[in-house]
Amino acid sequence: DTEVTQTPKHLVMGMTNKKSLKCEQHMGHRAMYWYKQKAKKPPELMFVYSYEKLSINESVPSRFSPECPNSSLLNLHLHALQPEDSALYLCASSQAAAGPGGDEQYFGPGTRLTVT
Amino acid sequence: QKEVEQNSGPLSVPEGAIASLNCTYSDRGSQSFFWYRQYSGKSPELIMFIYSNGDKEDGRFTAQLNKASQYVSLLIRDSQPSDSATYLCAVNGFTGGGNKLTFGTGTQLKVEL
Repeated sequence: DTEVTQTPKHLVMGMTNKKSLKCEQHMGHRAMYWYKQKAKKPPELMFVYSYEKLSINESVPSRFSPECPNSSLLNLHLHALQPEDSALYLCASSQAAAGPGGDEQYFGPGTRLTVT
Repeated sequence: QKEVEQNSGPLSVPEGAIASLNCTYSDRGSQSFFWYRQYSGKSPELIMFIYSNGDKEDGRFTAQLNKASQYVSLLIRDSQPSDSATYLCAVNGFTGGGNKLTFGTGTQLKVEL
């Protein structure tokens, strides 16, 4: 089973709202990722958690706040977003391998976010 | 700046033909290579990964890796209309913080009846 689930599927929020995106995996993976994808562009890495610790932050604005409550769950808290933050937000997971073999990432279905 | 390059396409092939998708990468130290398929409005789906020079086959898909030439390719045999999608090449760069995938811009494949 290579399933990563994400909720909600769609989210519309105003610029003053606070909302959260959720991601869950039950593959025993110890690395989880948040990506942002704009139309006709490849995914852009935002954050990496390895063994529940934030290990990579790709200089993401502080209006995006990640959280990893346990090894299966990953949240992305959103606050005071801008219309240009509208995108598909993707969660992925992998084994926390530090070399080839086991580092393949599996993506969830994504959350389509619209900021009005 | 580590780069992964792909032709954006569209690459059009007739049904039943072989589709050949190509990718080059700049970081000679890269060790893991992936192909993702992405249908419009959907998330990327991992279809192949390869770590060693040579060919790796899985059903109608063959991934080819040539580290000396810094080149990865994906062959799709007996192409079907359902193969029409964007194919993303990705290369993993291992850092002290973890795995970082660098994606190419994707090649749009159209399989025509």
